[in-house]
Amino acid sequence: AQTVTQSQPEMSVQEAETVTLSCTYDTSENNYYLFWYKQPPSRQMILVIRQEAYKQQNATENRFSVNFQKAAKSFSLKISDSQLGDTAMYFCAFMIYMDSNYQLIWGAGTKLIIKP
Amino acid sequence: NAGVMQNPRHLVRRRGQEARLRCSPMKGHSHVYWYRQLPEEGLKFMVYLQKENIIDESGMPKERFSAEFPKEGPSILRIQQVVRGDSAAYFCASSPYSGPRDTGELFFGEGSRLTVL
Repeated sequence: AQTVTQSQPEMSVQEAETVTLSCTYDTSENNYYLFWYKQPPSRQMILVIRQEAYKQQNATENRFSVNFQKAAKSFSLKISDSQLGDTAMYFCAFMIYMDSNYQLIWGAGTKLIIKP
Repeated sequence: NAGVMQNPRHLVRRRGQEARLRCSPMKGHSHVYWYRQLPEEGLKFMVYLQKENIIDESGMPKERFSAEFPKEGPSILRIQQVVRGDSAAYFCASSPYSGPRDTGELFFGEGSRLTVL
């Protein structure tokens, strides 16, 4: 079965601190994509960062970076110099090609609160 | 280039009525996905469509729910005889004609929030 586990339902840090959100997944596939999506109070889903499983180098987008450990099936998100606007739900997901179509498997989300 | 457009943003229905949610994918995108999100939960896959074809509807309830993506016009998610448990946010996402394999990314709309009284 394909699953994604986000073990932290909620986290809270002070503005400007660094925070790491954990994500583990389970799949027997070898090729897949991994994503972190952000859902602010407006409820729109916004892509934060993407990682191809065949790439060893960790993806980075400005203040956002990932620690991708393929053998451990771990894909954590690090937010540096956190800002108030980072307050949102964060969802980890991976996409595989199976049964002739693409399947996107989602975690339950982590609620991140940035305090002033 | 406009993003994925969903309407209505908010829809209120009484039990037993029908709800129709529309999704216009990004220009050049011919793959559409519908997801449901209950409060404080992640997205649950419902259905995957390409133009005029349902590719995967394994996440769709067997009764009352249907989806289409006609040759012309938006994709429609239709819920007949709505019940309170149908209250949720429904998100549509699209990807290019080649599918999401090139970038692995889906582009999401802002969602339609259905409230059943």
